[in-house]
Amino acid sequence: EEQLVESGGGLVQPGGSLRLSCAASGFTLRNYWMIWVRQAPGKGLEWVANVKEDGSDKYYVDSVKGRFTISRDNAKNSLYLQMNSLRAEDTAVYYCARDFSYYIEVWGKGTTVTVSS
Amino acid sequence: QSALTQPPSASGSPGQSVTISCTGTSSDVGRYNYVSWYQQDPGKAPKLMIYEVSKRPSGVPDRFSGSKSGNTASLTVSGLQAEDEADYYCSSYAGSHTYVFGTGTRVTVL
Repeated sequence: EEQLVESGGGLVQPGGSLRLSCAASGFTLRNYWMIWVRQAPGKGLEWVANVKEDGSDKYYVDSVKGRFTISRDNAKNSLYLQMNSLRAEDTAVYYCARDFSYYIEVWGKGTTVTVSS
Repeated sequence: QSALTQPPSASGSPGQSVTISCTGTSSDVGRYNYVSWYQQDPGKAPKLMIYEVSKRPSGVPDRFSGSKSGNTASLTVSGLQAEDEADYYCSSYAGSHTYVFGTGTRVTVL
């Protein structure tokens, strides 16, 4: 079964940092673009970032540019999101997902990030 | 990177049809045939229902259909069932490897 499992969420103070991880199983990560999507409490989905199969190209939503970094380790079948200078508005459930030709076909269950003092 | 516009809610009785609109711009929905739709139950991860405007993944009932005209895409659920009650989100490719989601629509089965 193809699966994505996120970890690393938690409570962090404004201005702090957090690193999310996503472990893939049941498929070979290096064959796919990968995406992070977030959902603030009671709000809609928001594309955050994506990364090419080999990690050479990365793209971000404007609101996280310069603060978040998406990366991957294909040897470990893992995806990451390094989040720095966190703000209250970054509070959300963060989903790791697999991109296949412009749509998301596999989603993780999500990990919750809360930015609060 | 503005969100696509969806109605906040839609409803129908069992057996009826409901159609959800998703309005974007000529830079996203209007330019690319890469509109997808996702169903999300409360507290759960989204599930792909439609991709490339009108294609259904295996396992998705044919009661779900998608279309597009100009800058607006639509999802129609025919023969509504109680299990279709959920939040629905559209998404579109917006060029330069970026994506935009819709504001979301809660479908209620009366």
